[in-house]
Amino acid sequence: EVQVVESGGDLVQPGGSLRLSCAASGFTFSTYWMTWVRQAPGKGLEWVANIKHDGSEKYYVDSVKGRFTISRDNARNSLYLELNSLRADDSAIYYCARVGRDSQYGYFDYWGRGTLVTVSS
Amino acid sequence: DIVMTQSPDSLAVSLGERATINCKSSQSVLWSSNNKNYLAWYQQKPGQPPKLLFYWASTRESGVPDRFSASGSETDFTLTISSLQAADVAIYYCQEYYTMAHTFGGGTKVEIK
Repeated sequence: EVQVVESGGDLVQPGGSLRLSCAASGFTFSTYWMTWVRQAPGKGLEWVANIKHDGSEKYYVDSVKGRFTISRDNARNSLYLELNSLRADDSAIYYCARVGRDSQYGYFDYWGRGTLVTVSS
Repeated sequence: DIVMTQSPDSLAVSLGERATINCKSSQSVLWSSNNKNYLAWYQQKPGQPPKLLFYWASTRESGVPDRFSASGSETDFTLTISSLQAADVAIYYCQEYYTMAHTFGGGTKVEIK
């Protein structure tokens, strides 16, 4: 069974940092693009970042470029998102998801339950 | 960036009746080289993550009941629930994956009348 499980969300002050993790199982992690999507409380969905199966290509939404870094460790079947210079509008549930095709342009076929990041003083 | 506009924002439908959700993109999401529409639909039930329903505009994901159907091309897309069940209460989102922005629509909340 395909599973992705996020962790690392927390309450952090504006300007602070956080590292989110996503543990994947049930599929050959090293052959899939992966993605992070976020959802502010009571709001819609926003794509955040994508990473190629070998980590050689990374893409970000403009609002997080230079502040967030997506990475992966295929030996550990894990995906990460480093969040720096956090702002109040970064507060959201962050979902890890698998990209359902071998491309940076893909739909998201398996999602985790998410991890909550709250940025507040 | 592409803007994805869903309508209506919400709808209330009686059990067993049809529910129709529209999604309009500000530019075509049809890739001419493969004749595929880069459009997906998701269902999000309260307190749960989104679940993929359709991709390529009309390809049903495995396990999705056949009372759900999706259609459309280029800029206009539709998700239809032919006979609404209590289990279908959720917010439904369309999403383009034609651009790196992977823009989602604002969502349509489906409730029981």
